[in-house]
Amino acid sequence: QQPVQSPQAVILREGEDAVINCSSSKALYSVHWYRQKHGEAPVFLMILLKGGEQKGHEKISASFNEKKQQSSLYLTASQLSYSGTYFCGIDDRGSTLGRLYFGRGTQLTVWP
Amino acid sequence: ETGVTQTPRHLVMGMTNKKSLKCEQHLGHNAMYWYKQSAKKPLELMFVYNFKEQTENNSVPSRFSPECPNSSHLFLHLHTLQPEDSALYLCASSQRGQVSSYNEQFFGPGTRLTVL
Repeated sequence: QQPVQSPQAVILREGEDAVINCSSSKALYSVHWYRQKHGEAPVFLMILLKGGEQKGHEKISASFNEKKQQSSLYLTASQLSYSGTYFCGIDDRGSTLGRLYFGRGTQLTVWP
Repeated sequence: ETGVTQTPRHLVMGMTNKKSLKCEQHLGHNAMYWYKQSAKKPLELMFVYNFKEQTENNSVPSRFSPECPNSSHLFLHLHTLQPEDSALYLCASSQRGQVSSYNEQFFGPGTRLTVL
């Protein structure tokens, strides 16, 4: 049930791009992306719904391939503030009951 | 207070103690969640409450007992815990309703629990 994230860690220079992937073995209704900085709470970034709707961050984009049961988060022209651990959470039921299964996270470090 | 607050932020307890974690959301949401975050493990969903009713218990041991007296408050009562229960416990809330709605979850800062 838990999605698989890749890569486990990424190190970038400021201004470089990164892609973080999230794959599921089950059909997905929606995918949520969060970023957690050390010692802080996870912060919502993006949500992508089956059917193409999405809501999220202005400078971060994501894709959702329903057929392949995977999502990718695109971080372009990375800034120092992008450093943190990125989690994807999957909703495989599409119900109103509210349940997300999270991946292990991808640790992103941006250097000046 | 804004967003989701949790108290205490840090807690050290012995295996025979009884303690409670408190979560309060100031967002007018109708769903609340408890998650456990251990080192190098994914966020694990423990409990889900919708409109004060428990709708999900993710096979959590009975030494963890949730309580949701109203849609703004959520407690996690702890008793006879084990050292492996040491972790960061996160509370979250969301506005559940329509299947097609976004329902993003807002997290509190967490309680860092250490069981000796």
